Amino acid sequence: GAVVSQHPSWVICKSGTSVKIECRSLDFQATTMFWYRQFPKQSLMLMATSNEGSKATYEQGVEKDKFLINHASLTLSTLTVTSAHPEDSSFYICSARVPAEGYEQYFGPGTRLTVT
Amino acid sequence: DAKTTQPPSMDCAEGRAANLPCNHSTISGNEYVYWYRQIHSQGPQYIIHGLKNNETNEMASLIITEDRKSSTLILPHATLRDTAVYYCIVRVPSTGANSKLTFGKGITLSVRP
Repeated sequence: GAVVSQHPSWVICKSGTSVKIECRSLDFQATTMFWYRQFPKQSLMLMATSNEGSKATYEQGVEKDKFLINHASLTLSTLTVTSAHPEDSSFYICSARVPAEGYEQYFGPGTRLTVT
Repeated sequence: DAKTTQPPSMDCAEGRAANLPCNHSTISGNEYVYWYRQIHSQGPQYIIHGLKNNETNEMASLIITEDRKSSTLILPHATLRDTAVYYCIVRVPSTGANSKLTFGKGITLSVRP
């Protein structure tokens, strides 16, 4: 299957700072990527859908000015958590849709964000 | 809201078959049944999907009832590495809004030695 990577795998930052997480499709071009968030002992919640060359579509309740998404190329989408607070501490996971494989979605390994 | 219901947890012995049930009584005619799993602190991993016929791959088998209102994921010889949360999801494999992967609570499978 297709491979999706994320960087960094974990990050610790201070409250009030911004953090950027990268999501890359390694062996395919992804016109659509997705960003999920997962709190401890909870399921994955879709935050936004990222389309290459256009603005991201955010799910209800997700602050677009706080979670900035950029999908500037067919292999890279970034999520920037701006002015991070401890409640933003979570596991952030991206996935990419592969049209050539029946629109299957493949997931990255996730990024653990801890805001102190 | 998730369109599937799964028991919260189950366990099985290593080497035995693990049969994971899923109910999707409101599934539409063009929706497929997908199974993913998530090992602790990792991203979800695709396992298998099907529309109405039974499917098998190197990881598992998927049995879908004739009325498509329920399905069972079968891991034929469970190992300790199969301990994970398994998600049953229905979706249309396309680019539309109904193609989103919406995760419910899943079923936690614990494989015991």
